Amino acid sequence: GQNIDQPTEMTATEGAIVQINCTYQTSGFNGLFWYQQHAGEAPTFLSYNVLDGLEEKGRFSSFLSRSKGYSYLLLKELQMKDSASYLCAVSDSNYQLIWGAGTKLIIKP
Amino acid sequence: ETGVTQTPRHLVMGMTNKKSLKCEQHLGHNAMYWYKQSAKKPLELMFVYNFKEQTENNSVPSRFSPECPNSSHLFLHLHTLQPEDSALYLCASSQERGGIDTQYFGPGTRLTVL
Repeated sequence: GQNIDQPTEMTATEGAIVQINCTYQTSGFNGLFWYQQHAGEAPTFLSYNVLDGLEEKGRFSSFLSRSKGYSYLLLKELQMKDSASYLCAVSDSNYQLIWGAGTKLIIKP
Repeated sequence: ETGVTQTPRHLVMGMTNKKSLKCEQHLGHNAMYWYKQSAKKPLELMFVYNFKEQTENNSVPSRFSPECPNSSHLFLHLHTLQPEDSALYLCASSQERGGIDTQYFGPGTRLTVL
C-alpha cells in the first residue's frame, strides 16, 4: 500500500529553527508537496520538490531524497504565525496526491 | 473574489436532511476536487472533475452526490448522512487533472451530522 509518515505534533520556540520530516512509500513518484494549514483555514501551497536537494524560499526550505523516500521542511526564525499544521503529499505514478496526516506545529514564546 | 470559495462555512444537519455544499473557483482552472478531512487523518480524495467530466470516484457512498455544471462550480449534494460523516469538506482546483499540478484549496465546510 501507499503510505506517508510524518510526526503528529511538534513544539518549537519563537525565533528558533524546526525541521518537519516526511517519509513516503508510494507507487511511483512524480514529486512531493508541502502545504501549510492554519486551524479552520484552507491548506496553502508551500513548496514542490521533484529532484533531490534543497529548495529555499525565504524562511522556508524543503529537501528531498528520492533514494531514501524522505523529505523535510525546514522553518527558520520561527514566528508565532507559523503555528499551523504542515501537510506532506506525494504525487504517485498516476499523478494522484497521497497525503500524510499532517504535523501540528506549536510555537511557544 | 479570488481563489477558491466555499459555502456554507459551517453546516449542522440531521441524518434525514438534504443539503448541498457549494464551491466556486476564480482561477480559470479546469479540474476540481472534493476532499474529506477528519481529525488526525490524511486528506481523503472523494471526487475529481476534469473539464466538467467526473474522472474519479474513490468508493464514496451514494449519500454523497457531486455535480459540476461548469469548470468554475462544484457542488456536493448530501442526503441521509451518518454521524461519522462529520468532517471538514474541502474543495480544490488545479489547472487540469494529470501531470504535475498544484492544487489550490478553499477554506472548507465544517459539517456536523447529528
